[in-house]
Amino acid sequence: EAAVTQSPRSKVAVTGGKVTLSCHQTNNHDYMYWYRQDTGHGLRLIHYSYVADSTEKGDIPDGYKASRPSQENFSLILELASLSQTAVYFCASSDISNERLFFGHGTKLSVL
Amino acid sequence: QQQVRQSPQSLTVWEGETAILNCSYEDSTFNYFPWYQQFPGEGPALLISISSVSDKKEDGRFTIFFNKREKKLSLHITDSQPGDSATYFCAATGGNNKLTFGQGTVLSVIP
Repeated sequence: EAAVTQSPRSKVAVTGGKVTLSCHQTNNHDYMYWYRQDTGHGLRLIHYSYVADSTEKGDIPDGYKASRPSQENFSLILELASLSQTAVYFCASSDISNERLFFGHGTKLSVL
Repeated sequence: QQQVRQSPQSLTVWEGETAILNCSYEDSTFNYFPWYQQFPGEGPALLISISSVSDKKEDGRFTIFFNKREKKLSLHITDSQPGDSATYFCAATGGNNKLTFGQGTVLSVIP
């Protein structure tokens, strides 16, 4: 079974602090994604990557950076965390067909 | 701007009934429509999908009906079971490797 592992599972951060969310996949997939889930908004794409050392902006990239140092790893970075970034963050991977995304269990981020 | 819309936001049915979840979209370039199922505390998982060349896709108790002209689709869950209680997301893509999700429908099945 394909596996996407996120860490940490939950995190409390202070406003203005730096937050790094990590994702590791063992699917040998080229594509990786970061989504944000908020009640009433569903899942919204923040950043994605289709090859190591390259990232692309999704639909809501403001306030977020991404890093893809290898095929297996994809990080989401909040340089200056804000209250509005409190949400559940999901990492996902897919092969080039993009017909099926495999999601991690999510990271619950609370910014206080 | 919500390109994929779902209704209702929440739905409650009795065990054994058919649950109908609706989805509509705006972008005419969308040609692939997966539905994802999410249980509390977990990530979404692919349930069933359909391409725009088909008008119906069936997988056990789950059926997608697709109307390209009206840009609408629906997910029918027959003989609903308590284990089907989850959040269901309709999604769409036009082949640019970006999947756009709806806001989700929370389904509750009462025994």
